[in-house]
This record gives sequence, C-alpha cells and structure tokens, in this order.
Amino acid sequence: AQKVTQAQTEISVVEKEDVTLDCVYETRDTTYYLFWYKQPPSGELVFLIRRNSFDEQNEISGRYSWNFQKSTSSFNFTITASQVVDSAVYFCALSEARGTASKLTFGTGTRLQVTL
Amino acid sequence: ETGVTQTPRHLVMGMTNKKSLKCEQHLGHNAMYWYKQSAKKPLELMFVYNFKEQTENNSVPSRFSPECPNSSHLFLHLHTLQPEDSALYLCASSQDGGWDGYTFGSGTRLTVV
Repeated sequence: AQKVTQAQTEISVVEKEDVTLDCVYETRDTTYYLFWYKQPPSGELVFLIRRNSFDEQNEISGRYSWNFQKSTSSFNFTITASQVVDSAVYFCALSEARGTASKLTFGTGTRLQVTL
Repeated sequence: ETGVTQTPRHLVMGMTNKKSLKCEQHLGHNAMYWYKQSAKKPLELMFVYNFKEQTENNSVPSRFSPECPNSSHLFLHLHTLQPEDSALYLCASSQDGGWDGYTFGSGTRLTVV
C-alpha cells in the first residue's frame, strides 16, 4: 500500500529564516509521481510541484526548492527566506496509476507558521 | 477563482436532514474526485469519476451518495449523517490521469449536529 509520512506536524519560524519540510513515502510502484500542495486558510489546495520517479534532479522555483532522493524515499521541500504569506498547511502526496485516472495519497500535512 | 467551484462553502445539518454538495469545473478536465479532510487525519479519497463513470469508491458509507451527470459537475448527496462526518469536503479535477496534478476547490465545511 502507498503511504506518505510527514513527521513534522507544526513548524514555527521567524520571517527570513529558511525552513525544510520533510516527506517520506512508500510505494511498490516503479512509476509514480510526487507532489507538494499548499493549503492556505481559505481551504483550497494549491499545486506547487510534481516530480516523476525517474527524475531525481532537484528543482528550484524562486524561494522554493525540492530535494528528491529515491535512495531514501524522500521528497523534501525547502522555503528560503520565509515570509508571513508562506504560513499554511503543506501536503506531500504520492500518485499511483488506477486505469485512466490516478489516485493521490496524501500525508497528514505540516502546518507552517511564519511570524514577524 | 481556482477553476473548481464548490457550493456551499459552509453547511450545518442535522442528522436527519438531506443535503447536497455541488462541485463544478470548467477546465475541460475528464476526472473528478471527492476527498474528505478531517482534523489531524490525512486527506481521504472518497470517490473518483472518469468521463462520468465512477471508477473508485473507497469503502465510503452509503449515507454518502455521489452523482456525476457530466464531466463538469459532481455532486455529493448526504443523508442521515453522523457527527463524525463533520469535515471539510474537497472536490478536485484532473486531466488525463492526473499526472499534472489535481485542481482543488475551496471545499465545503460541513458540520453535522
């Protein structure tokens, strides 16, 4: 069975600090996708990134960066120079193929609080 | 505007009531999903519809009844719910298997009293 573990329930940082959110996954599939979503207080989940299992290159997008390590089944997310607007719940997710529609399995989320 | 619209945003219902949640997407996606988000629990997939056909029912109790009249609309009909069904219900849509990610709505916050 697929499983995603986000061990950090809540993290509090002061603005401009760097913060890393951890994600560890389990799957028996050889082809899979990993995702990060952001859930602000308004409720909707906002797509941040997708990574496929064959691409272990790290990715940087502005202040966001992702470190995918297949050897440790981890897909960690780092926010550099955090800002108050980054305060949200962040979810890591793993997809598995189910015919023509995929199925996302989510972690329990990490609540990030950025204060001034 | 996220592309996926859910109504109502908030709903309070008694255990004997019947109500429906609505989800609408105009992104041209072919798959739609219902997820349940309870406090301190992972998001739970409830139902998957692909081209209007239900492809997954994740052992959801029959008091939740989905309906997908077309690829743009998805409903969740609720009847005789329990207080533990109180949660945020999220709708999502995706295209071509969802490998590019899902687009989520803002959810309906349901409280069963």
